[in-house]
Amino acid sequence: EPEVTQTPSHQVTQMGQEVILRCVPISNHLYFYWYRQILGQKVEFLVSFYNNEISEKSEIFDDQFSVERPDGSNFTLKIRSTKLEDSAMYFCASRTVTNYEQYFGPGTRLTVT
Amino acid sequence: AQSVTQLGSHVSVSEGALVLLRCNYSSSVPPYLFWYVQYPNQGLQLLLKYTSAATLVKGINGFEAEFKKSETSFHLTKPSAHMSDAAEYFCAVRDAGNMLTFGGGTRLMVKP
Repeated sequence: EPEVTQTPSHQVTQMGQEVILRCVPISNHLYFYWYRQILGQKVEFLVSFYNNEISEKSEIFDDQFSVERPDGSNFTLKIRSTKLEDSAMYFCASRTVTNYEQYFGPGTRLTVT
Repeated sequence: AQSVTQLGSHVSVSEGALVLLRCNYSSSVPPYLFWYVQYPNQGLQLLLKYTSAATLVKGINGFEAEFKKSETSFHLTKPSAHMSDAAEYFCAVRDAGNMLTFGGGTRLMVKP
């Protein structure tokens, strides 16, 4: 069964450093999402991406965040200058155009020290 | 804006007992509702979804949920809990912008 994959599974970085989280959505999916889950808190929407542009973003998704689909398979989330409060599990999700069901990847745990 | 409330951050049941996890939502558009399960150190797996068809929805692993518009609820049930059901369960509603808004999650513990 097709799956969303994410790399790395765990990333440790120092405050102020740039990180790139990578996702490979399911191949026939055209909507892509990033969510995050701070430890002990609810899963929060960050951004959605369709047709090579951001379609929605939350208040969390400020100027330090960016997303990109650099090729036909990868979908990336970049955090330009990480802060301690960016420590969280980051989930990528994807779906088809007609089906609202989102398929989630296993997540990347980001630890900012 | 849509919101989801899950009553009870922790629920403990005995193996073989009924599982009931509560979810109430608010939505300004006809809701699409989802239940996801998260096992330790894993991602979110879809259990079931409501998309305006039948109000009683059956999902994987013996779970089902009933959409009740009058109560704005979408509670998750399973007649008989199994040890392998221990996990965190999230209720979510599709926002008008097609992103998901999640509830705070309910951790289900199953006692032998």
